[in-house]
Amino acid sequence: EDQVTQSPEALRLQEGESSSLNCSYTVSGLRGLFWYRQDPGKGPEFLFTLYSAGEEKEKERLKATLTKKESFLHITAPKPEDSATYLCAVQAENYGQNFVFGPGTRLSVLP
Amino acid sequence: DAGVTQSPTHLIKTRGQQVTLRCSPKSGHDTVSWYQQALGQGPQFIFQYYEEEERQRGNFPDRFSGHQFPNYSSELNVNALLLGDSALYLCASSLGSHGYTFGSGTRLTVV
Repeated sequence: EDQVTQSPEALRLQEGESSSLNCSYTVSGLRGLFWYRQDPGKGPEFLFTLYSAGEEKEKERLKATLTKKESFLHITAPKPEDSATYLCAVQAENYGQNFVFGPGTRLSVLP
Repeated sequence: DAGVTQSPTHLIKTRGQQVTLRCSPKSGHDTVSWYQQALGQGPQFIFQYYEEEERQRGNFPDRFSGHQFPNYSSELNVNALLLGDSALYLCASSLGSHGYTFGSGTRLTVV
C-alpha cells in the first residue's frame, strides 16, 4: 500500500543544535516530493519541491535532499522561529494531482 | 496580492447538522482542492475541482460534496455531521497542477 511516513514524530532541539527530519515513501511513479511548514492553526506553507533522486534544495537554514526511498530535511543551527510542524507530501501517478501527506514532525527549538 | 481566503475561520456544529465552508482561490488560480486535517495528523485529500467539475476524489463518503463557481471560488458541504468530522479543513488553489497555495483553514468542531 502506498504510504508516506515521517520520523521522528516530535523533536526538541536547543538553539543552534543541527538535526535532520526524515520522510520515507512507498509510492509508484513519484512525480514530486514536497516539504511544507505548518504553524499552529495555519495552513501549510510551501518550502521545497524535489523531483528526482540526488536532487537537493536549500533555503536559509533548511536543506532538503531526496533518494529513491526517502527525503531528509536538514536544519542547520536552528532558531526558535523554526519551531513548527514540518509536513512531507508526495504527488504520484496513482493519485493524479493531489498530495499524499505524511503525519508531520513537530519541531520545537528552545532558546 | 491576496492569497487563498477561507471562511469562516471557526465553526461549531451539532451532530446531524449540515455545514458549508467557503474558499476563494489565489488570484490567477483556476483549480481548488480540499483537505481534511485531524488534530496531530497530516492533511487528507477530499476532492479537487476544475472548470466547475469534480476532477478527482479521495476516500471520503458521499456526505462530503462540493461545488466550484464560475469565478473559481468553491464550497465544501458536509451533511449529517459526525463527531469524527471535527478537523481543520484546508483549501488549496493552483493553476492547473502548479503553484499550490493553502489557505489558513476552517476549524470545524462537531459537538
